Amino acid sequence: NAGVTQTPKFQVLKTGQSMTLQCAQDMNHNSMYWYRQDPGMGLRLIYYSASEGTTDKGEVPNGYNVSRLNKREFSLRLESAAPSQTSVYFCASRGQGLSFFDTQYFGPGTRLTVL
Amino acid sequence: AQKITQTQPGMFVQEKEAVTLDCTYDTSDPSYGLFWYKQPSSGEMIFLIYQGSYDQQNATEGRYSLNFQKARKSANLVISASQLGDSAMYFCAMSPTQGGSEKLVFGKGTKLTVNP
Repeated sequence: NAGVTQTPKFQVLKTGQSMTLQCAQDMNHNSMYWYRQDPGMGLRLIYYSASEGTTDKGEVPNGYNVSRLNKREFSLRLESAAPSQTSVYFCASRGQGLSFFDTQYFGPGTRLTVL
Repeated sequence: AQKITQTQPGMFVQEKEAVTLDCTYDTSDPSYGLFWYKQPSSGEMIFLIYQGSYDQQNATEGRYSLNFQKARKSANLVISASQLGDSAMYFCAMSPTQGGSEKLVFGKGTKLTVNP
């Protein structure tokens, strides 16, 4: 049971390049999320998917697109990377357990640098 | 809009002593959840403790307890008997009720250093 996995762990891009961050969970969770973490800041929500087939914008969606490929996988795409997108990206998933306020479980993060 | 405020950028505590990390929140929702996460230097986000807005008792998980004061809109984390391994960033987060998606809103965090 791997929980939430993310690939790659590190990535360096040049301005204008594109890339996709991959996320997968094996906990049969319905909801999945993408956050970014900048120095001195908490995590900010980029996009989320409440269930397979649905996606919605979070607090900072500009410059990103997402795909909920199936129940397990939720990818984040940068079409034309900018230095402002240098950050650590976290994927998370959440089930519908005994409590309505179920815990979000996080992946290990992807450290992205855009030059 | 929901907001989490953590006013302590850094805190220091001696090993084996207790420490309180502050968290205040702002929401107009009657029902919400409050969470604390730990982020060690390795970078992963580790769930510590959860408190529901309707819970009558303060949450406890081992050495962690949450001092929940609803009227003051505060949800402070208390770590008892601090250990060197407790040195990390600590984030308070809130889950507002918005269509069941339970997005988390995070504070900016407090860096805790435990001294030997």
